[in-house]
Amino acid sequence: DAKTTQPPSMDCAEGRAANLPCNHSTISGNEYVYWYRQIHSQGPQYIIHGLKNNETNEMASLIITEDRKSSTLILPHATLRDTAVYYCIVRGLGGANSKLTFGKGITLSVRP
Amino acid sequence: ETGVTQSPTHLIKTRGQQVTLRCSSQSGHNTVSWYQQALGQGPQFIFQYYREEENGRGNFPPRFSGLQFPNYSSELNVNALELDDSALYLCASSLAQGSSSYEQYFGPGTRLTVT
Repeated sequence: DAKTTQPPSMDCAEGRAANLPCNHSTISGNEYVYWYRQIHSQGPQYIIHGLKNNETNEMASLIITEDRKSSTLILPHATLRDTAVYYCIVRGLGGANSKLTFGKGITLSVRP
Repeated sequence: ETGVTQSPTHLIKTRGQQVTLRCSSQSGHNTVSWYQQALGQGPQFIFQYYREEENGRGNFPPRFSGLQFPNYSSELNVNALELDDSALYLCASSLAQGSSSYEQYFGPGTRLTVT
């Protein structure tokens, strides 16, 4: 079963920041937080991951709380092409623990 | 750098038949995972292959089987197809080094319809 909880949907205006929350209260010390997104009927796309420090790349920023029980994915300037289902996943690194367990994700709708 | 590719794109089969789906891993990756995504659901883990051996399996029956080849490409075979096998089948490749396996990159998927 998925170890994360996400609201089912949210929307934001184009050009504004999109802040996508995720709860993972049972995360273990050696588990990472991963974010993927899936645009309609395409394969999921890797966005970013982190262990306990905040991370930033060209796509997004990941903010993880100090207790690691929740995180927020930030798309700094959302565009219409960011409309997708976003999955927050807790994942170990080794062997079978490296599988991705997807929940239902959060549907982000970016409006013009 | 070549991304993950899958073939065919779409496939229609009849209940009871067998099907083989194919995946070519991203260059430099040695691990492949397969997922099934039913309509409106998140992808579900089927199994993972590393160095040509199964390295983890989800809650799928034995009629779902796989292969990984020396060039790290992979096949997913499904026997005795059922209507509920209709789904998008996704392949993801990643690099495993030592005890760590890194981020998975997905192909575009194969849409299987069983009638």
